[in-house]
Amino acid sequence: ETGVTQSPTHLIKTRGQQVTLRCSSQSGHNTVSWYQQALGQGPQFIFQYYREEENGRGNFPPRFSGLQFPNYSSELNVNALELDDSALYLCASSPAETGNQPQHFGDGTRLSIL
Amino acid sequence: KQEVTQIPAALSVPEGENLVLNCSFTDSAIYNLQWFRQDPGKGLTSLLLIQSSQREQTSGRLNASLDKSSGRSTLYIAASQPGDSATYLCAGKSNSGYALNFGKGTSLLVTP
Repeated sequence: ETGVTQSPTHLIKTRGQQVTLRCSSQSGHNTVSWYQQALGQGPQFIFQYYREEENGRGNFPPRFSGLQFPNYSSELNVNALELDDSALYLCASSPAETGNQPQHFGDGTRLSIL
Repeated sequence: KQEVTQIPAALSVPEGENLVLNCSFTDSAIYNLQWFRQDPGKGLTSLLLIQSSQREQTSGRLNASLDKSSGRSTLYIAASQPGDSATYLCAGKSNSGYALNFGKGTSLLVTP
């Protein structure tokens, strides 16, 4: 069984640039969620995708957007990068039909903004 | 919004000790609560999930409990080992939302 994989593992950008992060969900999982984890903090929910539609969103501005593809993989796009966007971005997948299944996380993408 | 707090923020114990990590949450309408382990620079590893209808879950040396009426969960680690050193995070999912709401974690160091 393949787990959640994220790419790239590390990324360095400058303020104002745009970035795309990628996530492949665990086999059999059709729901993907994205989280932002600043240093020393717990992860914060960005949004969730189910069947290629965003069906839940946290307190993040519209410059954070996403996509989910027919194979359930997902992208997180961030425009107009700011210094505070420096964080570990985590992707999690779960089978949506049973909401009481644990979410499985990837190892994340470490994004640094200069 | 579900607010989650974890105490203590950091804990250091000698190898072999039993220990308890605490998690409190504000919304008693909790759907489930999940405990995770995070190693430095890594993602989250799911340890235990407790459904709202359950009181506890066990896996090996780990036991997690859930008390909705008091808004508390505990993670009990028996016979701690240096390999248990990591940050432990709890996360609650409310009935009304999709998100996992995380605490800031407890950083555990088990010394040989």
